[in-house]
Amino acid sequence: DQQVKQNSPSLSVQEGRISILNCDYTNSMFDYFLWYKKYPAEGPTFLISISSIKDKNEDGRFTVFLNKSAKHLSLHIVPSQPGDSAVYFCAAPSSGTYKYIFGTGTRLKVLA
Amino acid sequence: DAGVIQSPRHEVTEMGQEVTLRCKPISGHDYLFWYRQTMMRGLELLIYFNNNVPIDDSGMPEDRFSAKMPNASFSTLKIQPSEPRDSAVYFCASSHLRGLKGYTFGSGTRLTVV
Repeated sequence: DQQVKQNSPSLSVQEGRISILNCDYTNSMFDYFLWYKKYPAEGPTFLISISSIKDKNEDGRFTVFLNKSAKHLSLHIVPSQPGDSAVYFCAAPSSGTYKYIFGTGTRLKVLA
Repeated sequence: DAGVIQSPRHEVTEMGQEVTLRCKPISGHDYLFWYRQTMMRGLELLIYFNNNVPIDDSGMPEDRFSAKMPNASFSTLKIQPSEPRDSAVYFCASSHLRGLKGYTFGSGTRLTVV
Protein backbone atom coordinates (compact mmCIF):
# COMPACT_ATOMS: atom_id res chain seq x y z
CA ASP A 1 0.00 0.00 0.00
CA GLN A 2 1.02 3.61 -0.41
CA GLN A 3 3.37 5.02 2.23
CA VAL A 4 4.14 8.70 2.68
CA LYS A 5 7.08 10.05 4.64
CA GLN A 6 7.92 13.53 5.77
CA ASN A 7 11.30 13.07 7.35
CA SER A 8 11.65 16.54 8.83
CA PRO A 9 9.32 16.92 11.82
CA SER A 10 10.13 20.62 12.09
CA LEU A 11 11.68 23.50 10.19
CA SER A 12 12.51 27.08 11.18
CA VAL A 13 12.98 29.80 8.59
CA GLN A 14 13.51 33.54 8.74
CA GLU A 15 10.74 35.75 7.43
CA GLY A 16 11.29 36.59 3.78
CA ARG A 17 13.39 33.51 3.09
CA ILE A 18 12.38 30.36 1.25
CA SER A 19 10.80 27.43 3.09
CA ILE A 20 11.23 24.00 1.51
CA LEU A 21 9.20 21.09 2.80
CA ASN A 22 9.84 17.60 1.52
CA CYS A 23 7.79 14.45 1.12
CA ASP A 24 8.50 10.97 -0.24
CA TYR A 25 6.01 8.38 -1.38
CA THR A 26 6.32 4.74 -2.40
CA ASN A 27 3.77 4.03 -5.14
CA SER A 28 3.59 5.86 -8.45
CA MET A 29 0.07 6.97 -9.23
CA PHE A 30 -1.74 8.65 -12.09
CA ASP A 31 -3.58 11.12 -9.90
CA TYR A 32 -3.20 14.25 -7.80
CA PHE A 33 -0.83 14.78 -4.90
CA LEU A 34 -1.88 17.26 -2.25
CA TRP A 35 -0.50 19.58 0.41
CA TYR A 36 -2.53 20.63 3.40
CA LYS A 37 -1.83 23.25 6.05
CA LYS A 38 -2.98 22.90 9.64
CA TYR A 39 -3.15 25.54 12.35
CA PRO A 40 -3.54 24.55 16.03
CA ALA A 41 -7.07 23.63 17.07
CA GLU A 42 -8.25 23.63 13.45
CA GLY A 43 -8.71 20.97 10.82
CA PRO A 44 -6.27 20.65 7.92
CA THR A 45 -7.09 22.92 5.00
CA PHE A 46 -6.22 22.28 1.38
CA LEU A 47 -3.24 24.32 0.19
CA ILE A 48 -2.12 23.20 -3.25
CA SER A 49 -2.15 20.13 -5.47
CA ILE A 50 -0.21 18.77 -8.40
CA SER A 51 -1.25 16.37 -11.08
CA SER A 52 1.05 13.42 -11.66
CA ILE A 53 1.36 14.47 -15.31
CA LYS A 54 3.05 17.70 -14.29
CA ASP A 55 6.30 18.45 -12.51
CA LYS A 56 5.43 21.87 -11.12
CA ASN A 57 2.39 23.80 -9.98
CA GLU A 58 2.49 27.35 -8.72
CA ASP A 59 -0.06 29.35 -6.75
CA GLY A 60 1.16 32.70 -5.55
CA ARG A 61 3.91 32.21 -2.99
CA PHE A 62 3.44 28.44 -3.02
CA THR A 63 5.00 26.08 -5.56
CA VAL A 64 4.87 22.31 -5.49
CA PHE A 65 7.40 20.23 -7.38
CA LEU A 66 6.95 16.58 -8.31
CA ASN A 67 9.91 14.34 -9.15
CA LYS A 68 8.28 11.15 -10.34
CA SER A 69 11.46 9.19 -10.85
CA ALA A 70 12.50 9.88 -7.26
CA LYS A 71 8.92 9.63 -5.94
CA HIS A 72 9.47 12.94 -4.21
CA LEU A 73 7.38 16.03 -3.64
CA SER A 74 8.49 19.37 -2.33
CA LEU A 75 6.62 22.49 -1.33
CA HIS A 76 8.36 25.84 -1.68
CA ILE A 77 7.08 28.94 0.06
CA VAL A 78 8.63 32.19 -1.12
CA PRO A 79 8.78 34.57 0.63
CA SER A 80 7.92 32.95 3.93
CA GLN A 81 5.70 34.94 6.28
CA PRO A 82 4.98 34.50 10.01
CA GLY A 83 1.39 33.56 9.13
CA ASP A 84 2.75 30.53 7.30
CA SER A 85 3.74 28.99 10.63
CA ALA A 86 1.71 25.79 10.75
CA VAL A 87 1.98 22.04 10.29
CA TYR A 88 2.12 20.98 6.65
CA PHE A 89 0.95 17.56 5.50
CA CYS A 90 1.51 16.00 2.12
CA ALA A 91 -0.91 13.38 0.84
CA ALA A 92 -0.59 10.78 -1.88
CA PRO A 93 -3.37 8.74 -3.48
CA SER A 94 -3.74 5.08 -2.60
CA SER A 95 -3.98 2.74 -5.55
CA GLY A 96 -7.36 1.29 -6.39
CA THR A 97 -9.17 3.29 -3.75
CA TYR A 98 -10.56 6.73 -3.18
CA LYS A 99 -8.41 7.43 -0.17
CA TYR A 100 -5.41 9.63 0.43
CA ILE A 101 -2.52 8.63 2.64
CA PHE A 102 -1.03 11.45 4.67
CA GLY A 103 2.46 11.95 5.98
CA THR A 104 3.27 12.70 9.60
CA GLY A 105 3.59 16.42 8.92
CA THR A 106 6.30 19.06 9.16
CA ARG A 107 5.92 21.89 11.63
CA LEU A 108 7.08 25.12 10.00
CA LYS A 109 8.00 28.10 12.12
CA VAL A 110 8.65 31.38 10.34
CA LEU A 111 10.63 33.74 12.52
CA ALA A 112 9.91 37.46 12.30
CA ASP B 1 -22.21 26.10 3.63
CA ALA B 2 -21.06 25.72 7.24
CA GLY B 3 -18.43 23.19 6.30
CA VAL B 4 -17.88 19.85 7.97
CA ILE B 5 -19.23 20.00 11.51
CA GLN B 6 -17.88 17.80 14.27
CA SER B 7 -19.03 17.43 17.84
CA PRO B 8 -17.97 17.58 20.54
CA ARG B 9 -14.82 19.69 20.14
CA HIS B 10 -13.33 18.20 23.28
CA GLU B 11 -14.13 14.99 25.10
CA VAL B 12 -12.59 13.76 28.32
CA THR B 13 -13.64 10.34 29.48
CA GLU B 14 -12.55 7.62 31.82
CA MET B 15 -11.00 4.43 30.60
CA GLY B 16 -13.64 1.83 29.86
CA GLN B 17 -16.36 4.28 28.99
CA GLU B 18 -18.07 4.48 25.62
CA VAL B 19 -17.26 7.49 23.47
CA THR B 20 -19.25 8.68 20.46
CA LEU B 21 -17.92 11.26 18.04
CA ARG B 22 -20.25 12.91 15.55
CA CYS B 23 -19.88 14.39 12.09
CA LYS B 24 -22.09 16.27 9.67
CA PRO B 25 -20.54 16.37 6.19
CA ILE B 26 -20.99 19.10 3.61
CA SER B 27 -24.29 18.76 1.82
CA GLY B 28 -23.85 17.09 -1.55
CA HIS B 29 -20.61 15.37 -0.64
CA ASP B 30 -20.88 11.64 -1.17
CA TYR B 31 -17.63 10.58 0.48
CA LEU B 32 -16.96 10.76 4.21
CA PHE B 33 -13.70 9.96 5.96
CA TRP B 34 -12.64 9.51 9.57
CA TYR B 35 -9.00 10.28 10.36
CA ARG B 36 -7.05 10.20 13.60
CA GLN B 37 -4.07 12.46 14.29
CA THR B 38 -1.28 11.45 16.64
CA MET B 39 2.26 12.74 16.98
CA MET B 40 3.77 9.42 16.03
CA ARG B 41 1.60 8.47 13.08
CA GLY B 42 0.35 11.78 11.74
CA LEU B 43 -3.03 11.61 10.03
CA GLU B 44 -4.23 8.02 9.84
CA LEU B 45 -7.30 7.05 7.85
CA LEU B 46 -9.62 4.92 9.94
CA ILE B 47 -12.56 4.36 7.61
CA TYR B 48 -14.35 5.93 4.68
CA PHE B 49 -17.87 5.80 3.30
CA ASN B 50 -19.31 6.34 -0.15
CA ASN B 51 -23.02 7.09 -0.39
CA ASN B 52 -23.37 6.04 3.27
CA VAL B 53 -21.80 2.62 2.66
CA PRO B 54 -18.50 1.74 4.39
CA ILE B 55 -15.92 1.10 1.67
CA ASP B 56 -12.64 0.63 3.51
CA ASP B 57 -12.31 0.09 7.25
CA SER B 58 -8.83 -1.38 7.15
CA GLY B 59 -7.52 1.47 9.28
CA MET B 60 -9.85 0.83 12.19
CA PRO B 61 -7.42 -0.21 14.91
CA GLU B 62 -9.53 -2.74 16.80
CA ASP B 63 -13.00 -4.12 17.27
CA ARG B 64 -13.47 -1.50 19.95
CA PHE B 65 -13.88 1.03 17.12
CA SER B 66 -17.01 1.19 14.99
CA ALA B 67 -18.42 3.74 12.58
CA LYS B 68 -21.82 4.26 11.06
CA MET B 69 -23.40 6.53 8.51
CA PRO B 70 -27.17 6.14 8.80
CA ASN B 71 -27.84 8.90 6.25
CA ALA B 72 -26.06 11.34 3.98
CA SER B 73 -25.88 14.05 6.62
CA PHE B 74 -24.62 12.23 9.68
CA SER B 75 -21.89 9.84 10.77
CA THR B 76 -20.65 8.55 14.11
CA LEU B 77 -17.41 7.02 15.31
CA LYS B 78 -17.78 5.00 18.47
CA ILE B 79 -15.11 3.62 20.78
CA GLN B 80 -16.24 1.06 23.31
CA PRO B 81 -14.52 0.52 25.69
CA SER B 82 -12.15 3.47 25.45
CA GLU B 83 -8.49 3.20 26.47
CA PRO B 84 -5.85 5.87 27.22
CA ARG B 85 -4.01 5.03 23.97
CA ASP B 86 -7.09 6.17 22.05
CA SER B 87 -6.33 9.74 23.10
CA ALA B 88 -5.88 11.73 19.89
CA VAL B 89 -7.57 14.27 17.68
CA TYR B 90 -10.19 12.70 15.46
CA PHE B 91 -11.09 14.42 12.19
CA CYS B 92 -13.98 13.91 9.87
CA ALA B 93 -13.67 14.97 6.23
CA SER B 94 -15.96 14.90 3.23
CA SER B 95 -15.64 15.30 -0.52
CA HIS B 96 -17.53 14.97 -3.75
CA LEU B 97 -14.76 14.23 -6.18
CA ARG B 98 -11.19 13.21 -5.46
CA GLY B 99 -8.48 15.01 -7.21
CA LEU B 100 -7.88 18.67 -7.49
CA LYS B 101 -8.69 19.77 -3.96
CA GLY B 102 -8.92 16.61 -1.92
CA TYR B 103 -11.17 16.68 1.09
CA THR B 104 -12.69 19.29 3.39
CA PHE B 105 -11.91 18.58 7.03
CA GLY B 106 -13.85 19.44 10.13
CA SER B 107 -12.23 21.11 13.12
CA GLY B 108 -11.74 17.82 14.91
CA THR B 109 -12.60 16.30 18.27
CA ARG B 110 -9.81 16.15 20.83
CA LEU B 111 -10.34 12.98 22.82
CA THR B 112 -8.61 12.40 26.14
CA VAL B 113 -9.08 9.08 27.89
CA VAL B 114 -7.86 9.08 31.48
